[in-house]
Amino acid sequence: DGGITQSPKYLFRKEGQNVTLSCEQNLNHDAMYWYRQDPGQGLRLIYYSQIVNDFQKGDIAEGYSVSREKKESFPLTVTSAQKNPTAFYLCASSILWNEQFFGPGTRLTVL
Amino acid sequence: GQNIDQPTEMTATEGAIVQINCTYQTSGFNGLFWYQQHAGEAPTFLSYNVLDGLEEKGRFSSFLSRSKGYSYLLLKELQMKDSASYLCAVRYTSGTYKYIFGTGTRLKVLA
Repeated sequence: DGGITQSPKYLFRKEGQNVTLSCEQNLNHDAMYWYRQDPGQGLRLIYYSQIVNDFQKGDIAEGYSVSREKKESFPLTVTSAQKNPTAFYLCASSILWNEQFFGPGTRLTVL
Repeated sequence: GQNIDQPTEMTATEGAIVQINCTYQTSGFNGLFWYQQHAGEAPTFLSYNVLDGLEEKGRFSSFLSRSKGYSYLLLKELQMKDSASYLCAVRYTSGTYKYIFGTGTRLKVLA
Protein backbone atom coordinates (compact mmCIF):
# COMPACT_ATOMS: atom_id res chain seq x y z
CA ASP A 1 0.00 0.00 0.00
CA GLY A 2 1.71 3.21 -1.18
CA GLY A 3 1.65 6.26 0.96
CA ILE A 4 3.46 8.85 2.99
CA THR A 5 3.98 8.61 6.73
CA GLN A 6 5.03 11.11 9.36
CA SER A 7 6.06 10.56 12.94
CA PRO A 8 5.40 11.36 15.62
CA LYS A 9 1.80 12.58 15.43
CA TYR A 10 2.27 14.83 18.47
CA LEU A 11 5.56 16.26 19.68
CA PHE A 12 6.37 18.42 22.65
CA ARG A 13 9.57 20.39 22.83
CA LYS A 14 11.16 22.48 25.49
CA GLU A 15 12.51 25.86 24.50
CA GLY A 16 16.11 25.63 23.29
CA GLN A 17 15.80 22.04 22.05
CA ASN A 18 16.17 20.81 18.50
CA VAL A 19 13.65 18.24 17.33
CA THR A 20 13.47 16.15 14.17
CA LEU A 21 10.26 15.26 12.38
CA SER A 22 10.25 12.15 10.26
CA CYS A 23 8.74 11.83 6.78
CA GLU A 24 8.85 8.67 4.67
CA GLN A 25 7.19 7.86 1.35
CA ASN A 26 6.99 4.72 -0.76
CA LEU A 27 5.28 6.33 -3.75
CA ASN A 28 8.57 6.54 -5.68
CA HIS A 29 8.16 10.31 -5.94
CA ASP A 30 11.22 12.41 -6.68
CA ALA A 31 9.90 15.58 -5.05
CA MET A 32 9.22 16.05 -1.35
CA TYR A 33 8.08 19.13 0.57
CA TRP A 34 7.68 20.42 4.10
CA TYR A 35 4.90 22.84 4.99
CA ARG A 36 3.86 24.59 8.12
CA GLN A 37 0.19 25.31 8.82
CA ASP A 38 -0.96 27.86 11.40
CA PRO A 39 -4.57 28.69 12.25
CA GLY A 40 -6.09 31.07 9.71
CA GLN A 41 -3.13 30.81 7.36
CA GLY A 42 -2.46 28.84 4.24
CA LEU A 43 0.22 26.19 4.01
CA ARG A 44 3.63 27.82 3.91
CA LEU A 45 6.57 26.10 2.27
CA ILE A 46 9.60 25.51 4.49
CA TYR A 47 11.87 23.39 2.28
CA TYR A 48 11.54 21.23 -0.77
CA SER A 49 13.66 18.67 -2.54
CA GLN A 50 13.38 17.67 -6.17
CA ILE A 51 16.04 14.98 -6.10
CA VAL A 52 18.20 13.05 -3.66
CA ASN A 53 21.04 15.04 -2.09
CA ASP A 54 19.53 18.34 -3.18
CA PHE A 55 17.06 20.65 -1.48
CA GLN A 56 15.94 24.26 -1.69
CA LYS A 57 14.67 26.80 0.82
CA GLY A 58 11.03 27.71 0.71
CA ASP A 59 9.42 30.88 1.97
CA ILE A 60 10.03 30.34 5.70
CA ALA A 61 13.24 28.27 5.97
CA GLU A 62 14.84 30.22 8.83
CA GLY A 63 15.23 28.06 11.93
CA TYR A 64 14.73 24.79 10.04
CA SER A 65 17.05 22.31 8.36
CA VAL A 66 16.51 19.23 6.19
CA SER A 67 18.40 16.40 4.56
CA ARG A 68 17.61 14.15 1.61
CA GLU A 69 20.00 11.21 1.70
CA LYS A 70 17.44 8.73 0.39
CA LYS A 71 14.62 9.13 -2.09
CA GLU A 72 12.12 7.82 0.46
CA SER A 73 13.05 10.05 3.37
CA PHE A 74 13.01 13.80 4.01
CA PRO A 75 13.41 14.59 7.74
CA LEU A 76 12.90 18.11 9.05
CA THR A 77 14.79 19.48 12.05
CA VAL A 78 13.25 22.35 13.94
CA THR A 79 16.14 24.13 15.60
CA SER A 80 16.23 26.38 18.65
CA ALA A 81 16.67 29.29 16.23
CA GLN A 82 13.03 28.94 15.15
CA LYS A 83 11.31 31.51 17.38
CA ASN A 84 7.74 30.34 17.05
CA PRO A 85 7.77 26.63 16.21
CA THR A 86 4.37 25.63 17.60
CA ALA A 87 2.41 24.59 14.49
CA PHE A 88 1.07 21.71 12.43
CA TYR A 89 3.77 20.37 10.11
CA LEU A 90 2.86 18.60 6.89
CA CYS A 91 5.13 16.63 4.63
CA ALA A 92 4.14 15.98 1.03
CA SER A 93 5.50 14.27 -2.03
CA SER A 94 4.71 14.47 -5.71
CA ILE A 95 5.81 13.77 -9.21
CA LEU A 96 7.56 17.10 -9.72
CA TRP A 97 5.19 19.96 -8.93
CA ASN A 98 2.06 17.97 -9.75
CA GLU A 99 -0.67 17.15 -7.24
CA GLN A 100 0.81 16.58 -3.84
CA PHE A 101 0.22 13.65 -1.51
CA PHE A 102 0.34 14.63 2.12
CA GLY A 103 1.31 12.74 5.22
CA PRO A 104 -0.93 12.81 8.32
CA GLY A 105 1.04 15.66 9.90
CA THR A 106 2.94 16.29 13.12
CA ARG A 107 1.59 18.73 15.68
CA LEU A 108 4.53 20.36 17.46
CA THR A 109 4.03 22.22 20.71
CA VAL A 110 6.72 24.16 22.51
CA LEU A 111 6.40 24.07 26.28
CA GLY B 1 2.87 39.26 -4.54
CA GLN B 2 1.05 36.11 -5.54
CA ASN B 3 -2.01 36.25 -3.30
CA ILE B 4 -4.70 33.61 -3.39
CA ASP B 5 -8.09 34.78 -2.15
CA GLN B 6 -10.86 32.52 -0.90
CA PRO B 7 -13.82 33.16 1.41
CA THR B 8 -13.01 32.22 4.98
CA GLU B 9 -16.21 30.36 5.78
CA MET B 10 -19.35 29.11 4.08
CA THR B 11 -22.41 27.29 5.34
CA ALA B 12 -24.79 25.12 3.32
CA THR B 13 -27.50 22.55 3.85
CA GLU B 14 -27.26 18.83 3.26
CA GLY B 15 -28.35 17.97 -0.28
CA ALA B 16 -27.69 21.48 -1.60
CA ILE B 17 -25.07 22.79 -4.04
CA VAL B 18 -22.26 25.10 -2.95
CA GLN B 19 -19.68 27.04 -4.97
CA ILE B 20 -16.34 27.99 -3.42
CA ASN B 21 -14.48 30.72 -5.28
CA CYS B 22 -10.77 31.32 -5.61
CA THR B 23 -9.05 34.30 -7.23
CA TYR B 24 -5.35 34.59 -7.92
CA GLN B 25 -2.70 36.70 -9.63
CA THR B 26 -2.46 35.64 -13.27
CA SER B 27 1.21 36.43 -13.95
CA GLY B 28 3.20 33.18 -14.18
CA PHE B 29 0.14 30.98 -13.70
CA ASN B 30 0.82 27.33 -14.50
CA GLY B 31 -2.03 25.32 -12.96
CA LEU B 32 -4.56 25.30 -10.13
CA PHE B 33 -5.30 22.58 -7.60
CA TRP B 34 -8.10 22.05 -5.11
CA TYR B 35 -7.58 20.07 -1.90
CA GLN B 36 -9.94 18.99 0.86
CA GLN B 37 -8.76 19.06 4.45
CA HIS B 38 -10.76 17.72 7.38
CA ALA B 39 -9.94 19.25 10.75
CA GLY B 40 -6.64 17.98 12.12
CA GLU B 41 -5.95 15.86 9.07
CA ALA B 42 -3.85 16.08 5.93
CA PRO B 43 -5.11 17.74 2.75
CA THR B 44 -6.21 15.36 0.00
CA PHE B 45 -6.18 16.19 -3.69
CA LEU B 46 -9.54 16.87 -5.34
CA SER B 47 -8.96 18.38 -8.77
CA TYR B 48 -6.57 20.07 -11.15
CA ASN B 49 -7.19 22.70 -13.85
CA VAL B 50 -4.65 24.13 -16.26
CA LEU B 51 -6.91 24.99 -19.22
CA ASP B 52 -10.10 27.05 -19.19
CA GLY B 53 -13.30 25.22 -18.53
CA LEU B 54 -14.97 22.76 -16.24
CA GLU B 55 -13.50 19.51 -14.91
CA GLU B 56 -16.07 17.14 -13.43
CA LYS B 57 -15.39 14.36 -10.96
CA GLY B 58 -18.53 12.84 -9.55
CA ARG B 59 -20.16 15.28 -7.11
CA PHE B 60 -17.22 17.68 -7.39
CA SER B 61 -16.45 19.98 -10.32
CA SER B 62 -13.82 22.66 -10.74
CA PHE B 63 -13.84 25.56 -13.16
CA LEU B 64 -11.03 27.78 -14.38
CA SER B 65 -10.85 31.09 -16.23
CA ARG B 66 -7.20 31.96 -16.78
CA SER B 67 -7.88 35.42 -18.19
CA LYS B 68 -9.90 36.39 -15.11
CA GLY B 69 -7.62 34.71 -12.58
CA TYR B 70 -10.64 32.85 -11.22
CA SER B 71 -11.59 29.33 -10.27
CA TYR B 72 -14.40 27.73 -8.37
CA LEU B 73 -15.06 24.37 -6.80
CA LEU B 74 -18.65 23.18 -7.08
CA LEU B 75 -19.93 20.58 -4.65
CA LYS B 76 -23.28 18.97 -5.46
CA GLU B 77 -25.62 16.86 -3.32
CA LEU B 78 -23.82 17.97 -0.18
CA GLN B 79 -23.26 15.41 2.54
CA MET B 80 -22.35 15.93 6.17
CA LYS B 81 -18.91 14.43 5.49
CA ASP B 82 -18.20 17.32 3.09
CA SER B 83 -17.77 19.59 6.13
CA ALA B 84 -14.08 20.45 5.78
CA SER B 85 -11.71 23.15 4.62
CA TYR B 86 -11.16 23.49 0.89
CA LEU B 87 -7.75 24.77 -0.18
CA CYS B 88 -7.03 26.42 -3.49
CA ALA B 89 -3.39 26.15 -4.59
CA VAL B 90 -1.79 27.76 -7.62
CA ARG B 91 1.38 26.61 -9.33
CA TYR B 92 3.42 29.46 -10.70
CA THR B 93 6.46 29.38 -12.91
CA SER B 94 9.13 31.97 -13.58
CA GLY B 95 12.16 29.87 -14.34
CA THR B 96 11.35 27.56 -11.47
CA TYR B 97 8.06 26.33 -10.10
CA LYS B 98 6.36 27.63 -7.00
CA TYR B 99 3.23 26.47 -5.24
CA ILE B 100 1.09 29.01 -3.34
CA PHE B 101 -1.79 27.90 -1.11
CA GLY B 102 -4.79 29.99 -0.19
CA THR B 103 -5.88 30.15 3.45
CA GLY B 104 -8.74 27.76 2.75
CA THR B 105 -12.53 27.97 2.95
CA ARG B 106 -14.13 26.25 5.91
CA LEU B 107 -17.41 24.68 4.78
CA LYS B 108 -20.05 23.68 7.31
CA VAL B 109 -22.81 21.39 6.08
CA LEU B 110 -25.95 21.53 8.20
CA ALA B 111 -28.59 18.83 8.45
